Amino acid sequence: SAVISQKPSRDICQRGTSLTIQCQVDSQVTMMFWYRQQPGQSLTLIATANQGSEATYESGFVIDKFPISRPNLTFSTLTVSNMSPEDSSIYLCSVGTGGSPGGTQYFGPGTRLTVL
Amino acid sequence: GENVEQHPSTLSVQEGDSAVIKCTYSDSASNYFPWYKQELGKRPQLIIDIRSNVGEKKDQRIAVTLNKTAKHFSLHITETQPEDSAVYFCAASSGSSNTGKLIFGQGTTLQVKP
Repeated sequence: SAVISQKPSRDICQRGTSLTIQCQVDSQVTMMFWYRQQPGQSLTLIATANQGSEATYESGFVIDKFPISRPNLTFSTLTVSNMSPEDSSIYLCSVGTGGSPGGTQYFGPGTRLTVL
Repeated sequence: GENVEQHPSTLSVQEGDSAVIKCTYSDSASNYFPWYKQELGKRPQLIIDIRSNVGEKKDQRIAVTLNKTAKHFSLHITETQPEDSAVYFCAASSGSSNTGKLIFGQGTTLQVKP
């Protein structure tokens, strides 16, 4: 399986500011995804990070709030913009392997965000 | 779109007993069903998965069964041990859109009592 790292591992931010989370993979992968996991809850898909094109967002998530970059096949960033306490969550990236849709997904260690 | 329901939300068993967690999905085109285990403060880890062309898969004490007609799949853990205590999530691929997206169930907190 791929080795996935995220930076930062945790952060405490002030309301109204923005935070950019990085996801790095040790091998080229076709698919990268960003999830949010609120305390004690399940994982909710924010968007699919597409290499070389705009991310595909899920219902309830918009580009202005969660801009995503995917400059190459091993790296992606998620920015949480104009943060409010409701954005306090764990943000996880995942990568799809197996070379085809429906392939196995592995998760990064997550970024624990607290907004004051 | 795809919707995944997971039951029960909590499950408590004695060490050595079996545990069963069940999920149903809505999109008949979904074709991939993984199970993840998440320990406190850790990332979700894939423990077993099944594709729609098989009905059952086993890996030591863990097995998954799939009923495509009824659109449900289950995780079976036999001879449970305290280290099996964690939150378990089922998921289904959004097969109709063929994007590789996973939709997750709500999670089951499993407690194995020694």
